[in-house]
Amino acid sequence: AQTVTQSQPEMSVQEAETVTLSCTYDTSESDYYLFWYKQPPSRQMILVIRQEAYKQQNATENRFSVNFQKAAKSFSLKISDSQLGDAAMYFCAYRTPLGEGAQKLVFGQGTRLTINP
Amino acid sequence: EAGVTQFPSHSVIEKGQTVTLRCDPISGHDNLYWYRRVMGKEIKFLLHFVKESKQDESGMPNNRFLAERTGGTYSTLKVQPAELEDSGVYFCASSQGEAEHSPLHFGNGTRLTVT
Repeated sequence: AQTVTQSQPEMSVQEAETVTLSCTYDTSESDYYLFWYKQPPSRQMILVIRQEAYKQQNATENRFSVNFQKAAKSFSLKISDSQLGDAAMYFCAYRTPLGEGAQKLVFGQGTRLTINP
Repeated sequence: EAGVTQFPSHSVIEKGQTVTLRCDPISGHDNLYWYRRVMGKEIKFLLHFVKESKQDESGMPNNRFLAERTGGTYSTLKVQPAELEDSGVYFCASSQGEAEHSPLHFGNGTRLTVT
């Protein structure tokens, strides 16, 4: 079974600086999807960024980018120019593309990110 | 469009009592998912509906949990009788098509505390 590990329960960063959240996963599959979700306090969880394992190019979405290291099974999220609105719980997630379990997300434990003004 | 709505936002019950959580997906979304996050741990999949049918309920912890989606619209998740270890945040999500092609939309979650 696949597992996702986020080793940083909490992180903090100064506003306007850059922060990197770590995520590692374990799988025997060669094709899969990886995600970062964000849940602000008392609000809905939303998708931040998505990466297909077959793509070598790292995904980017504005100030959010990933460092996808397939061989190392690492999928870190970099937030540049941190803003107060980035404060949230961040979850890394994995999904099998096809077959049994394809509709499930496997999540990590989450990292609480605090932005210091 | 209205997002995924979950009710109640918080529930505090005593061990042995019954609680029913409700999820209203985005209108037209056939796929509905329940997830749960026990305090400080990872979010875990509970089950997946396609319309009114249970597509995958492999994550349901035991027979004290009963999920329904009559008519393929809103869904309920009943816990009876509740135990202390059931405390956590219960998330609902919906998508229009299968997860591969359609993003998941999550609700705010229901925080359940069993005392």
